[in-house]
Amino acid sequence: GQNIDQPTEMTATEGAIVQINCTYQTSGFNGLFWYQQHAGEAPTFLSYNVLDGLEEKGRFSSFLSRSKGYSYLLLKELQMKDSASYLCAVRGGDSSYKLIFGSGTRLLVRP
Amino acid sequence: DAMVIQNPRYQVTQFGKPVTLSCSQTLNHNVMYWYQQKSSQAPKLLFHYYDKDFNNEADTPDNFQSRRPNTSFCFLDIRSPGLGDAAMYLCATSRGRTSGNEQFFGPGTRLTVL
Repeated sequence: GQNIDQPTEMTATEGAIVQINCTYQTSGFNGLFWYQQHAGEAPTFLSYNVLDGLEEKGRFSSFLSRSKGYSYLLLKELQMKDSASYLCAVRGGDSSYKLIFGSGTRLLVRP
Repeated sequence: DAMVIQNPRYQVTQFGKPVTLSCSQTLNHNVMYWYQQKSSQAPKLLFHYYDKDFNNEADTPDNFQSRRPNTSFCFLDIRSPGLGDAAMYLCATSRGRTSGNEQFFGPGTRLTVL
């Protein structure tokens, strides 16, 4: 089967660093996406990894290890507005168009 | 700004009364998707259009239909909504279907079934 696992909730302090992990088991792999979703709003694209390694984009970085079926999203210098759900999504190999989403990690940033 | 627009943002319908949700895009993307997302759950793909080519997911109930009259518009029709169909419905677009084509999401329509 196809499975994406993320922690359900995390809490962190403003200004700190937080790492949100994602593990996946899918039939094939054609890339991994991270999306941010504020309550009641649409998911917005954060990052894309298809090769192993770290992709950095401002305060956000995403890492991928295909051999381990593992990714993480790193958020630095946390701000209150970063309180949101973070969705990990994998494009499986059997269907090039289809994104398989995890249930998301709810991040709460405290002052 | 190029974007994905969904109307209405909130829709209330009665059990069994047909309802249509709409999505439009100014991105001129080839692919349009409809997802269902229930509270604290992952978005679940219902179907997608690649240009005019309709692709239904195997586990999408027959109660859900879709139309794409042109590149810009796509509709989700729920023929006989049940209480279990109450959810957020997300429309998304992408330029293509291959790896690296990120999906752009609309703000969603929250459907309530009374």
